[in-house]
Amino acid sequence: AQKITQTQPGMFVQEKEAVTLDCTYDTSDQSYGLFWYKQPSSGEMIFLIYQGSYDEQNATEGRYSLNFQKARKSANLVISASQLGDSAMYFCAMREVLMDSSYKLIFGSGTRLLVRP
Amino acid sequence: DTAVSQTPKYLVTQMGNDKSIKCEQNLGHDTMYWYKQDSKKFLKIMFSYNNKELIINETVPNRFSPKSPDKAHLNLHINSLELGDSAVYFCASSQEVATSGGQETQYFGPGTRLLVL
Repeated sequence: AQKITQTQPGMFVQEKEAVTLDCTYDTSDQSYGLFWYKQPSSGEMIFLIYQGSYDEQNATEGRYSLNFQKARKSANLVISASQLGDSAMYFCAMREVLMDSSYKLIFGSGTRLLVRP
Repeated sequence: DTAVSQTPKYLVTQMGNDKSIKCEQNLGHDTMYWYKQDSKKFLKIMFSYNNKELIINETVPNRFSPKSPDKAHLNLHINSLELGDSAVYFCASSQEVATSGGQETQYFGPGTRLLVL
């Protein structure tokens, strides 16, 4: 069965510094997708970034980048130049494709990031 | 314009009652989902509908019944509410792709916070 592991329940980072949130995954599929979502204290789930298993380049979206290491089965999120508004829960998720080609997301347990001024 | 909307945002009710949560998406997506986020922030899929057809039904008590009147709407009805049903329920949608090679990002609604007393 597919599994996502986030080993950091909580992290602190100083404003304007970079921070890496860890995510490892387990799958026997050759084709898969990895996602990061942000959940601020207001509760909504915000899509941040996506990495496909066949993508040769690491994904980037503004201050977010994904450090994808396929052999290690890791997909760490890097946030550069942290801002106070980055304080939130961050979830790593993997797409599990089902028999009928539909799919569902498997989520990790999340990392709570607190940005210090 | 809101992409995925849910009503109500908060729902406080007594044990044993029946309640419904509504979800609508204006993204033109074919697939909609219900997720449950427990008190430890763990997110797990409950149901998925594709073009009004149920395609994913995880191990959810049959007190929970999703209904999709059209592909833009997916409602969740809960009978005989129990204390353990207290959670945040998220609706999400994605553009279904027949193969697993696409991104198929799921976009989430704001969540409905259900408290059963």
